[in-house]
Amino acid sequence: QKEVEQNSGPLSVPEGAIASLNCTYSDRGSQSFFWYRQYSGKSPELIMSIYSNGDKEDGRFTAQLNKASQYVSLLIRDSQPSDSATYLCAVRAGGTSYGKLTFGQGTILTVHP
Amino acid sequence: GAGVSQSPSNKVTEKGKDVELRCDPISGHTALYWYRQSLGQGLEFLIYFQGNSAPDKSGLPSDRFSAERTGGSVSTLTIQRTQQEDSAVYLCASSSPRTVQETQYFGPGTRLLVL
Repeated sequence: QKEVEQNSGPLSVPEGAIASLNCTYSDRGSQSFFWYRQYSGKSPELIMSIYSNGDKEDGRFTAQLNKASQYVSLLIRDSQPSDSATYLCAVRAGGTSYGKLTFGQGTILTVHP
Repeated sequence: GAGVSQSPSNKVTEKGKDVELRCDPISGHTALYWYRQSLGQGLEFLIYFQGNSAPDKSGLPSDRFSAERTGGSVSTLTIQRTQQEDSAVYLCASSSPRTVQETQYFGPGTRLLVL
């Protein structure tokens, strides 16, 4: 079992729709969770971070965390073609607030006009 | 302010040669990370430096890989006797653990191709 797994995709949604990206993790002691966006040929950039159970909203993005189910998701509302990218789920294991991240394989999102 | 910088941006080398990749973190960031991203693969952790502590080398794939960080700032990742499977994008990230939950900021990467 991979430590961090994402829905394999690719995911294609029409412009204006909600895109839902999912991630599960195996280390129950994980405390910090991140969503990065990576455009083709570019480096990852942080979109959202979440540490507590529940929802965290930032503009069109909402991260959801359920530690009991070891599940974290990212919702993108009113999807735009510029949102087309690979989305990476990352988890920091253990109880520290710093240290290495373990990444999922990524989900390719395409938003078509 | 300036972000994480890496050099070279691209490197083509022959199998068996040694290569050095450089990372210059964000000023003031005490933590520095190296990751590798192979074609179609996710990001793979290689090594982590935090201040003067011993580095976490648990992700280095073989003893051909080594890294150092001089003066708590610039880091160099060295790959000896390169193999074709070393071809990947090598990403450096830095962070400031002074925040409660530190965020890692990535550089543009070095694209390494071993022929």
